[in-house]
Parts: sequence; structure tokens; C-alpha cells
Amino acid sequence: KAGVTQTPRYLIKTRGQQVTLSCSPISGHRSVSWYQQTPGQGLQFLFEYFSETQRNKGNFPGRFSGRQFSNSRSEMNVSTLELGDSALYLCASSLRGGPNEKLFFGSGTQLSVL
Amino acid sequence: GDSVTQMEGPVTLSEEAFLTINCTYTATGYPSLFWYVQYPGEGLQLLLKATKADDKGSNKGFEATYRKETTSFHLEKGSVQVSDSAVYFCALNRQDQGAQKLVFGQGTRLTINP
Repeated sequence: KAGVTQTPRYLIKTRGQQVTLSCSPISGHRSVSWYQQTPGQGLQFLFEYFSETQRNKGNFPGRFSGRQFSNSRSEMNVSTLELGDSALYLCASSLRGGPNEKLFFGSGTQLSVL
Repeated sequence: GDSVTQMEGPVTLSEEAFLTINCTYTATGYPSLFWYVQYPGEGLQLLLKATKADDKGSNKGFEATYRKETTSFHLEKGSVQVSDSAVYFCALNRQDQGAQKLVFGQGTRLTINP
């Protein structure tokens, strides 16, 4: 069974640009969530999608958005990039997104904003 | 708001030493508790979890007990190996919210020397 796949693995962008990150969950998983990992702030929740609906959102500005498709694949978008957006973005999937469920994480997309 | 506090790292031990990584939490409501591990260059993997008071989670020789009276979930292992070198994250998820929104501690980097 394939794991959670995130593409691309690395991205380099400049300030003001926008970026789209992609995540393919484990087959059969309907919940996809996104986390930002930085050395200073650690791991922070961005948002969670289930059956194409955003159910939960973290404390991030509106420049951070996402969506989920009917096949459960998800994308997140960051517009008007800032230097502080440089981070490892992790996607995770689970069957139903319940609070006790195990999350399966991808290896992440490393975004560098110059 | 909800929060998780882990002991500061890095932690360096010799092989076969006893390991404790402290974790305490603050949560409004009734959380599930998790330990995730991140090996170099990889995404996070669930190590163990506990969903109610006095539950003990265990996996690969690691153990942690959900202590509601001290709001703690300390990770222990009796004899560590070089392969245990990784970053360990304590996390909680509120059960009353019915959704998946992990709150992570800052992480503790563990290095085991042969």
C-alpha cells in the first residue's frame, strides 16, 4: 500500500510569488490535514479536509488556503509569499479524521522563500 | 488554548541507557495523547497513543501512561538503541471537538551513541 505522497519535495520561490503544494493520501483515506514545521514555531496545524469540505482551520492568514478533490487528493496554496513562509509543509491522511485516529504523514515539501 | 510542553533537548545517551522524555499538557476538554517520531529525512510516524486516563500506550519498547492528575504523558524506554536516534514529538487532540487537529510540543532531539 503506497504511503502519503507529497510533491514537489523541494521548492524555491521569491517573495510575492504564490505556490501550490500537492498531497495524495493513502488509498481509502478521506481526511487530509496540513501542518507547517519550522525550527522556531515547531509543528502547527494549518487545516483539515474531509470529503472535499474544510472542517478545521488553524491560526494562519488568509494567504494560506487549500482544497480537496473528489479522489481525496489535496492541494494547499500560499499566495504573496513572505520570507517567514519558509518551512517544511507536511501533509497527513487518515481514514475518517477522528480525534483518536493514527495520522499517516508524508515526507513533506521543503519550501524556501528568497 | 491547548498546549503541549516537552523537555528541552537535545538529549544524548549511550546505548542501553534508560530514556525518559517528559511531556505535560494543557487542554480544555478531554484530549487523546500521542507520541510521534521523526527520523532524519522522513515524515512523522505514530509511536504510541492513549485515549483515556491511566491508559498505557506501548510500541517498540517505548511506553507512556496517560496521567490526568498530573496532566502528563512521559515517554520511557528501558534500553535505547542507536536506531532510536530521532526527534520525538508529544501531541494532543481534543476528543470533544470530534475533529483531527493535533497540537504538538516543540520536539525533543534524541541522539544515542554506541
